[in-house]
Amino acid sequence: LAKTTQPISMDSYEGQEVNITCSHNNIATNDYITWYQQFPSQGPRFIIQGYKTKVTNEVASLFIPADRKSSTLSLPRVSLSDTAVYYCLVASGTDSWGKLQFGAGTQVVVTP
Amino acid sequence: GAVVSQHPSRVICKSGTSVKIECRSLDFQATTMFWYRQFPKKSLMLMATSNEGSKATYEQGVEKDKFLINHASLTLSTLTVTSAHPEDSSFYICSARSQGGSIQYFGAGTRLSVL
Repeated sequence: LAKTTQPISMDSYEGQEVNITCSHNNIATNDYITWYQQFPSQGPRFIIQGYKTKVTNEVASLFIPADRKSSTLSLPRVSLSDTAVYYCLVASGTDSWGKLQFGAGTQVVVTP
Repeated sequence: GAVVSQHPSRVICKSGTSVKIECRSLDFQATTMFWYRQFPKKSLMLMATSNEGSKATYEQGVEKDKFLINHASLTLSTLTVTSAHPEDSSFYICSARSQGGSIQYFGAGTRLSVL
């Protein structure tokens, strides 16, 4: 399992764009990059997944450079309800077990 | 996204009793399910991986006789905490993954409090 490193915390104001960068230097060829959001006392919620370049959905964008050793989750125009812990994970899409190793995550705090 | 239902959301029990937690994939077949444990302000810790119809694989340090996992169907996995003690109090979360799928979908979690 590739290890990931991301900032412990980030602060932002409402309406701003939040970018969280995650390092995964040992990512393997078959690995996907997945981001989850977790609120207190709730299970993680899937945000976005990507393999390379850029992926965008209705919630966020994921930027992955060509070497795939890092990725950046971009949350556009955050609101107070985006205050949560965000986890960056790397796991094999072809591995029959699909284990995820959660790191400490990034605590994002959005203030008015 | 796919929906994973976990029940109960909260349980309080006396020390020495056993508690069963259910995890169901509602709109897909989950060939693999995972069980995690999370302590306050800490990250999720994988406890075990279960594939439908076979024995669960436990992570190092997790007692298989303490945490019984059954994955009898493609939509249901259960975690039974046997002879629970106060130190077993924690937040337990399940996730499910379809065959060939690269995304794990998580349940809402179960808060276990052992008195």
